[in-house]
Amino acid sequence: GESVGLHLPTLSVQEGDNSIINCAYSNSASDYFIWYKQESGKGPQFIIDIRSNMDKRQGQRVTVLLNKTVKHLSLQIAATQPGDSAVYFCAENSGYSTLTFGKGTMLLVSP
Amino acid sequence: DTAVSQTPKYLVTQMGNDKSIKCEQNLGHDTMYWYKQDSKKFLKIMFSYNNKELIINETVPNRFSPKSPDKAHLNLHINSLELGDSAVYFCASSQDPGRQETQYFGPGTRLLVL
Repeated sequence: GESVGLHLPTLSVQEGDNSIINCAYSNSASDYFIWYKQESGKGPQFIIDIRSNMDKRQGQRVTVLLNKTVKHLSLQIAATQPGDSAVYFCAENSGYSTLTFGKGTMLLVSP
Repeated sequence: DTAVSQTPKYLVTQMGNDKSIKCEQNLGHDTMYWYKQDSKKFLKIMFSYNNKELIINETVPNRFSPKSPDKAHLNLHINSLELGDSAVYFCASSQDPGRQETQYFGPGTRLLVL
């Protein structure tokens, strides 16, 4: 959902649950998408990417799903751990050398 | 063995001052970037350099001047600092400037203008 005031959309889960973070992207011409994880006080860290000729890609405990029809991207994290707590951003490659970032979702994992 | 490094990590300064932020990458990448992250965590591209040449310059005040002495370094100089410049500035790099290139980020420089 949209961020309200200074607050990011937040997803709170229990340790061990599966987490799903959603992202709507804006440019139907975008052909490359990345999920980044940003922990407090650190820079964005690459998690997983997907090209537009795919609709699903799996990594270690993470899966990215791409639905080009509705311009929607999701990140699934299996067996969420406290160390997964961070802000997650989707980014789309909307032009030459340009990444456009989404607004971010805060994931809070409680033990 | 830090891939993308920035200095300083924190920068507190008065309005009107001039300051620089440095960035270095040891990944052997050809392209480097500067991003600004505001208080709402929104990340926006400012500049992109490929092999020391400017290739992207988003709508950024000309008080901001990037300089790339070589392809492993991209520094950001800011003149006449304003309160609204307070933000976290991230440097990033990628192998090439083209599409479908993953960008790798530095740890950020937290700038506070008083």
